[in-house]
Amino acid sequence: NAGVTQTPKFRVLKTGQSMTLLCAQDMNHEYMYWYRQDPGMGLRLIHYSVGEGTTAKGEVPDGYNVSRLKKQNFLLGLESAAPSQTSVYFCASSRPGLSFEQFFGPGTRLTVL
Amino acid sequence: GEDVEQSLFLSVREGDSSVINCTYTDSSSTYLYWYKQEPGAGLQLLTYIFSNMDMKQDQRLTVLLNKKDKHLSLRIADTQTGDSAIYFCAEIMNNNAGNMLTFGGGTRLMVKP
Repeated sequence: NAGVTQTPKFRVLKTGQSMTLLCAQDMNHEYMYWYRQDPGMGLRLIHYSVGEGTTAKGEVPDGYNVSRLKKQNFLLGLESAAPSQTSVYFCASSRPGLSFEQFFGPGTRLTVL
Repeated sequence: GEDVEQSLFLSVREGDSSVINCTYTDSSSTYLYWYKQEPGAGLQLLTYIFSNMDMKQDQRLTVLLNKKDKHLSLRIADTQTGDSAIYFCAEIMNNNAGNMLTFGGGTRLMVKP
């Protein structure tokens, strides 16, 4: 099992450009999440999904959109990138049940110039 | 919203014990977690504790939970250089359908040989 994978690993964008980050999981998890990590601020939830075809806003959703067309994939889109979106983005997945553990991908480092 | 707070930095010598502290605000959290992040990687679950427990021990790791003070700690015995990482505490948000977590800002543990 690959667990949670993210593509790309690194990306540099210019202000105003758009891009999509892809997250895939092979654990048949119902729940998926997108976080951003900024120094000293821990992880902040951008959007999440509790099942195929459903998404919801997290703590910091502005400037991002998501889609969950297939259970195993969760896409994060930036329509018009801004320097404030320079961050490391992590995807995670989990399933209902004991301990509610979230499994994390390796991260995508995004720089917006 | 809920806040989870941690000190930013801890430095110990190899072989000493490390104690990482965390305070949280949601007294109804059912689970509290410790995640470890090594450089350039995603987060991995180290251990968790259910809210009806005061202590949990797992090999070199001891988790203490003081519900009255909303204080969580992680003790690492015989700390090794491989324990150098960022440690995040997290609480599960109450009454949420998606296992959402609130993370602290992370404590960077540096282990000196």
